[in-house]
Amino acid sequence: AQSVTQPDIHITVSEGASLELRCNYSYGATPYLFWYVQSPGQGLQLLLKYFSGDTLVQGIKGFEAEFKRSQSSFNLRKPSVHWSDAAEYFCAVGGTGNQFYFGTGTSLTVIP
Amino acid sequence: DAGITQSPRYKITETGRQVTLMCHQTWSHSYMFWYRQDLGHGLRLIYYSAAADITDKGEVPDGYVVSRSKTENFPLTLESATRSQTSVYFCASLGSSSYEQYFGPGTRLTVT
Repeated sequence: AQSVTQPDIHITVSEGASLELRCNYSYGATPYLFWYVQSPGQGLQLLLKYFSGDTLVQGIKGFEAEFKRSQSSFNLRKPSVHWSDAAEYFCAVGGTGNQFYFGTGTSLTVIP
Repeated sequence: DAGITQSPRYKITETGRQVTLMCHQTWSHSYMFWYRQDLGHGLRLIYYSAAADITDKGEVPDGYVVSRSKTENFPLTLESATRSQTSVYFCASLGSSSYEQYFGPGTRLTVT
């Protein structure tokens, strides 16, 4: 069965520091992988997606993610965090029949 | 307005009442989804629809009913609301070429 694990419930980083949010997935075939961001009281916005090809994908707002098949991971990174990046981040995998499975989310706090 | 909208944005109802959450998209996307978001669970799929008059259960369908008579609308009905259905509900549609889900702003439902 498909599933997504985000091991970190909450992360706090200083503004300007680097960021890595972890995501592990379980899926039998080549996965379609996504990262979404949710600001308070808002819907989800797509940051980036991976379908195939280059395993390092670039997204909006300076985010990138790397697909590592051997580790079943799709970690999100940003070299320098801004205060406006404080939000909830969700990793998701697209599965059979266009069903999508989401992780439980990682809440990011940015301290000045 | 173009995009995906949900109504109402906020709803308080009593246990046992029927309530319908509306979702409307203007892109004519074939696939539409209903999720509920709860702390510690991330987003869980309630129902999805591949096209008008085609719907299927997701991970947590019990207590919910959907219909899709028109491509652009995908209402979600709680036939007899329970307190456990207090949640934030998100509707989404799937871009056919981008394979990206577009989310509505959410409906915060409180069942008292």
